[in-house]
Parts: sequence; C-alpha cells; structure tokens
Amino acid sequence: GAGVSQTPSNKVTEKGKYVELRCDPISGHTALYWYRQSLGQGPEFLIYFQGTGAADDSGLPNDRFFAVRPEGSVSTLKIQRTERGDSAVYLCASGAGEAGELFFGEGSRLTVL
Amino acid sequence: RKEVEQDPGPFNVPEGATVAFNCTYSNSASQSFFWYRQDCRKEPKLLMSVYSSGNEDGRFTAQLNRASQYISLLIRDSKLSDSATYLCVVSRSGTYKYIFGTGTRLKVLA
Repeated sequence: GAGVSQTPSNKVTEKGKYVELRCDPISGHTALYWYRQSLGQGPEFLIYFQGTGAADDSGLPNDRFFAVRPEGSVSTLKIQRTERGDSAVYLCASGAGEAGELFFGEGSRLTVL
Repeated sequence: RKEVEQDPGPFNVPEGATVAFNCTYSNSASQSFFWYRQDCRKEPKLLMSVYSSGNEDGRFTAQLNRASQYISLLIRDSKLSDSATYLCVVSRSGTYKYIFGTGTRLKVLA
C-alpha cells in the first residue's frame, strides 16, 4: 500500500507480558517516528529514526521500551513486562527527513489487562 | 510546564462562525510549526504548515508570533465537517523531533 501500515491494529495482553508492534513506513521515507497517544491527549513523542539509527530516543519512558529499524525501513517497537499504564494507541509516522509533513499510520491500540 | 500548550476546549461554535485557537511553545529555539487535524479515533493529518509571514489556505489562516512564542489558527465560515481536534506541532532548529500539543477540540453545531 501507499501509506504507513501498522500491525496489529489491536492488541490485548496481560500485565507482565512482552509485546511487539510493527510499522511499515512509506517507501523511501528516511525518517520514522513512534508516538503514544492516550485518550484526550496529544501524541506523545517516543523515538525517531533517521535511516537505521535512532536519532532521538529521549521520549522512551523507561528501559522496558525499545525500538529497532535494522534495515532502515520497517520498525518494531518492543515493550517488555507490560503494565496497565502502557495501554494507549501507539502511532507510527514516516517522513522524508526534512522539516515537513509526517504521515501517520492508523495506530496499534494496546490494552494491558 | 509542557513544551507545547493548547486550550483543550471544546469550542462549540455554530455553522458559519469564525473561531480561533492559540498554541504557546516554551522553547525559543523552536523553528518549524504546523497544525494537524485529528478526527475521532483516526490518525493525525497535516492541515497546514505555519510560516513566519503567516499563511492562508482557503478558510484557514495560520500565524506565528515569535516574540510571544505562540502560533494561531483561524477558521472562517465554519463547516460541520471542521469538527475535529486541532493539534499544534513544533520542532526545534536542527532537529526533526516533532512535539505535539494536547489538541483543541472543535465542535461545529448545525
């Protein structure tokens, strides 16, 4: 497809479990972003990649969160030992790498029971 | 203090009204500014960039005030379809880290 694709669209897990969320950006976009959005809030920055490297990971809340983009395309956000407070919509966006438009996927809704 | 602040609203306005939102940012090194629109349970989408001289796109006008560190969005002749959350987005010079505000909810009433 032409847009940003995120899987799964919905994930329900139990407290303490491990979760992976995948993002497939627009082809050719060098920049890839992860945000987290809770109800009634704006997207909260987590991390962004330029190519394969994490250019800024200052938004990752703690060491349970980790993201990779090994080949400069698809990215995976990994959450260890999930907590109920991790429940949110995780949004991925890609961009051309300059100050400009971000294209968002539809998000992965994570619910931790 | 949050880096980007918006009044969450909701702003309830009748069709045809003019409505304006402000957004303040705390970092004077901020360089790029945008307004995004987010419909309920959908992803954010770019509405317009904000340029130093101000810019207009149809019924929408965006302005930047660097001295007071705020940007504004004006919507004229509001339509029912303008009902959404409007997100203010800021990035600093030399970085492509985009910081979003909480968003301002707009409801246009028939």
